[in-house]
Amino acid sequence: DAGVIQSPRHEVTEMGQEVTLRCKPISGHDYLFWYRQTMMRGLELLIYFNNNVPIDDSGMPEDRFSAKMPNASFSTLKIQPSEPRDSAVYFCASSLGGGRETQYFGPGTRLLVL
Amino acid sequence: KNQVEQSPQSLIILEGKNCTLQCNYTVSPFSNLRWYKQDTGRGPVSLTIMTFSENTKSNGRYTATLDADTKQSSLHITASQLSDSASYICVVSLYGGSQGNLIFGKGTKLSVKP
Repeated sequence: DAGVIQSPRHEVTEMGQEVTLRCKPISGHDYLFWYRQTMMRGLELLIYFNNNVPIDDSGMPEDRFSAKMPNASFSTLKIQPSEPRDSAVYFCASSLGGGRETQYFGPGTRLLVL
Repeated sequence: KNQVEQSPQSLIILEGKNCTLQCNYTVSPFSNLRWYKQDTGRGPVSLTIMTFSENTKSNGRYTATLDADTKQSSLHITASQLSDSASYICVVSLYGGSQGNLIFGKGTKLSVKP
């Protein structure tokens, strides 16, 4: 298996622009997670899905952030409009089942908003 | 407040030496504790996961311990190798919580020098 796939790996954009991050989870996994990582705050969970349905989006910082999972093999995280403080590494992870199941992380998307 | 504190923030050791990383948590109610290894520029990879009834769990040269009474965990690395250079993240899960109820530490950055 190729693991969790994320694209793009790097994104540089200007403040106010729309940014879309993409994720393909491991085939067969029923949970998908979006995380953000910064030096100051470490890893933070933004939102997660179970069977394509958003379960908990309490970590989404504000209305500028939105996430969708139209099918079991694809998810997007969108930031509109982007701001410099959104600069971070965004990770997607997936797992088979909840609870103690291991989450498998993608390589991340490094976002820089100028 | 649910928190996970890791120490030290960073550590430099010589190849072949052992080291121990610490994780103290105030999360309650506790469900499980995970250690992740994150190489520079990559996503975290799970090393171990322990419930309150497990005191020790090993994964090759990595041994994690858990003292649920004192709410402390440690990750011991034996005979360190250059490839052990990474950040190590401690994550605690809330009992009865959803997959999203994970409290992350900010990590310990380990550098192994030849």
